[in-house]
Amino acid sequence: DGGITQSPKYLFRKEGQNVTLSCEQNLNHDAMYWYRQDPGQGLRLIYYSQIVNDFQKGDIAEGYSVSREKKESFPLTVTSAQKNPTAFYLCASSNWGQGTSYEQYFGPGTRLTVT
Amino acid sequence: GENVEQHPSTLSVQEGDSAVIKCTYSDSASNYFPWYKQELGKRPQLIIDIRSNVGEKKDQRIAVTLNKTAKHFSLHITETQPEDSAVYFCAASEGLTGGGNKLTFGTGTQLKVEL
Repeated sequence: DGGITQSPKYLFRKEGQNVTLSCEQNLNHDAMYWYRQDPGQGLRLIYYSQIVNDFQKGDIAEGYSVSREKKESFPLTVTSAQKNPTAFYLCASSNWGQGTSYEQYFGPGTRLTVT
Repeated sequence: GENVEQHPSTLSVQEGDSAVIKCTYSDSASNYFPWYKQELGKRPQLIIDIRSNVGEKKDQRIAVTLNKTAKHFSLHITETQPEDSAVYFCAASEGLTGGGNKLTFGTGTQLKVEL
């Protein structure tokens, strides 16, 4: 374990509030990802970033925003526009480029509850 | 986009028996197929992966087979042990230009190994 961290582990918010989830990695990975996990469903990609100051929408980006100002950090903001924000959020990182390992390393996750 | 289907959703085996989980994918351009294991309350961890230029890969009790023509791949666990009990996810990568991967996950299989 270690290498990629997320905080906090549990987060509670009132409906209508924006909330930012933290993700930090010290693996020197170029790429970082945010996934959402709901019961009975697989992981769904929210956003990903291949390089600092660049990021791309995943399959379910609506209601979320990200930034990538540093290689080590990729925070996710869950905005009030996200209709069903309660979920388990997982951050991951990997190398990026031909000839490198494709393995994605996951953080421990943040469980967000919005009431 | 890519669509990955995974079966069964739950699987119960006796200790020492074999377990097989199957996945199908839709995008013929996908070229990377990892399998992740997620224990209750923990982060997903890669257990084995295969690239499209290989038909089979083994690592001790775990093996993955890939049939590109039929667009399906399977996870095989032999001599199952209680510690194999977890949720297993398959995934497929769209194989982005320039390298790296944008994974689409299956919905998971809850494996229970009974004594």
